[in-house]
Amino acid sequence: EAGVAQSPRYKIIEKRQSVAFWCNPISGHATLYWYQQILGQGPKLLIQFQNNGVVDDSQLPKDRFSAERLKGVDSTLKIQPAKLEDSAVYLCASSLAQDRGTPYEQYFGPGTRLTVT
Amino acid sequence: DQQVKQNSPSLSVQEGRISILNCDYTNSMFDYFLWYKKYPAEGPTFLISISSIKDKNEDGRFTVFLNKSAKHLSLHIVPSQPGDSAVYFCAAENQGGKLIFGQGTELSVKP
Repeated sequence: EAGVAQSPRYKIIEKRQSVAFWCNPISGHATLYWYQQILGQGPKLLIQFQNNGVVDDSQLPKDRFSAERLKGVDSTLKIQPAKLEDSAVYLCASSLAQDRGTPYEQYFGPGTRLTVT
Repeated sequence: DQQVKQNSPSLSVQEGRISILNCDYTNSMFDYFLWYKKYPAEGPTFLISISSIKDKNEDGRFTVFLNKSAKHLSLHIVPSQPGDSAVYFCAAENQGGKLIFGQGTELSVKP
């Protein structure tokens, strides 16, 4: 089966500009996640969708970050305006909506490396 | 507040020997613990998991041990191979399926 697709793979922008990332999850996966991974750190969850709805966006900086998942499939993450500290790899992941008793095994895309100058 | 910690940023092991990667956590409410492996320019890939009610799970060369009283888990790789060289992330999952990752440990297996 095809994996999680992300684009672009790399993006360089100046601070105060805006940027958008796109993610196409594995077919049939109801749950979609966006993570931010700063160099030297583990991925940090920004937002979690279950189909069209937001399950958790507690760590999303809502003054500058927004995300949507249209029709419960593809998703976009936007930053506007970008700051220097937003330089990171942005990872998208998806998982099946599983019954309790098994872990939510998440499948990750290759990520988008964002550099803000 | 770092709920999941991997205190060793790097580990170097000789091929054929055992690799032991460690992880500590602070929250007793996690349901599962997972290990992910990451190669450069790729996303993390799932490796192995363990339920919070178990103390050991084995899959081929990979074994994860969970010590609940110490809030500590470890990943053992035996025997280590050069292809195991990667960054390994420990992650804890709560009831909502949210993963909290550690900082990662970079494993280097030398031929």
